[in-house]
Amino acid sequence: DTAVSQTPKYLVTQMGNDKSIKCEQNLGHDTMYWYKQDSKKFLKIMFSYNNKELIINETVPNRFSPKSPDKAHLNLHINSLELGDSAVYFCASSQSLAGANVLTFGAGSRLTVL
Amino acid sequence: RKEVEQDPGPFNVPEGATVAFNCTYSNSASQSFFWYRQDCRKEPKLLMSVYSSGNEDGRFTAQLNRASQYISLLIRDSKLSDSATYLCVVTGTGANNLFFGTGTRLTVIP
Repeated sequence: DTAVSQTPKYLVTQMGNDKSIKCEQNLGHDTMYWYKQDSKKFLKIMFSYNNKELIINETVPNRFSPKSPDKAHLNLHINSLELGDSAVYFCASSQSLAGANVLTFGAGSRLTVL
Repeated sequence: RKEVEQDPGPFNVPEGATVAFNCTYSNSASQSFFWYRQDCRKEPKLLMSVYSSGNEDGRFTAQLNRASQYISLLIRDSKLSDSATYLCVVTGTGANNLFFGTGTRLTVIP
């Protein structure tokens, strides 16, 4: 039973399209995240939500819009996809915002923009 | 300056060798420190937290040096299955912001 699951695992699309990645966690965690890992393997936080409220919104283009319908779900919608958006997007969750948090990651969604 | 810096490697070591990685961080107010492991085309997974007093888990030992602002990971008696990228993670100030290093790639050779 997967703790953090995200779909789709692979996504290949054309520039200019709009796409979504879904994430769900069954750990009962309060906090969820989206991370982007680029071709150089650098893992950078994009968004953080705590109990459905946005906590961190790093300098991400506003073409990226997260949505959290409840604390177990955090979806990522991307408008007008660009070549530079090609990366692996990881969803993650943690028990709470406070203290020394351990992140549990989903398996990643590999986005390729052609 | 990056918040967390690691030598990307690769480190190619024979089975049974001892290997050590260091990671430096820029924010002296950082509170929590971790090592994560990421296998090729997989997600990062927590390997171990790093405590001020240092901690050991089997063949793995993690240490923190606050004065010099670095953490280290020592792997003894390397196994083939230890081949992976090891990510140093440090908490920043503010709301639960974790900074990842770019990772150190380890390959253990038979």
